[in-house]
Amino acid sequence: GAVVSQHPSRVICKSGTSVKIECRSLDFQATTMFWYRQFPKQSLMLMATSNEGSKATYEQGVEKDKFLINHASLTLSTLTVTSAHPEDSSFYICSARDRTGGSIQYFGAGTRLSVL
Amino acid sequence: GQQLNQSPQSMFIQEGEDVSMNCTSSSIFNTWLWYKQDPGEGPVLLIALYKAGELTSNGRLTAQFGITRKDSFLNISASIPSDVGIYFCAGQFLGGSNYKLTFGKGTLLTVNP
Repeated sequence: GAVVSQHPSRVICKSGTSVKIECRSLDFQATTMFWYRQFPKQSLMLMATSNEGSKATYEQGVEKDKFLINHASLTLSTLTVTSAHPEDSSFYICSARDRTGGSIQYFGAGTRLSVL
Repeated sequence: GQQLNQSPQSMFIQEGEDVSMNCTSSSIFNTWLWYKQDPGEGPVLLIALYKAGELTSNGRLTAQFGITRKDSFLNISASIPSDVGIYFCAGQFLGGSNYKLTFGKGTLLTVNP
């Protein structure tokens, strides 16, 4: 099956620092990747859609300068949380859509971000 | 706006029992997906449905794409402790853009041994 690798799985950082999260599709090409945020006991909230070679599309209310997304290749997208603050602490999950697979999204294992 | 309702919100069952959960939407879907999420992990795809009326099984799991294209259910037969987790329905609305998925709020399943 399609595998999506997300790294790191957990990160603890000081307030004001920037954190980069990587999302890789290991055995398929992903023209589209998605970044979600999940609060405890809640559903997934789409933050942005990342298309290879073009600018990401952000959902309403998501600060693009705060959450920088780069999708430089068909197998890698990165999310950088800039100048992180405690309120950015959350579970971030990426997903990737196989360019041949319609609407199915395959998810990474998530990244637990804790900002002190 | 488009809404997706998933029920029940949580279930507590005994091992061996069957489970049923469902999702209804305010608009027509062209794809229904069912995922399971374990604590601290990302969602894992269980079943994908593409056609109205489609009934698909994956081991002890069975899901159906409703005839009206506005609903779907997931059944789990003979539950076991490892079925514990949060189950999400998700789908793409007809006419939706860029393959974005809309997720239900999830059903938390607890299985007592």
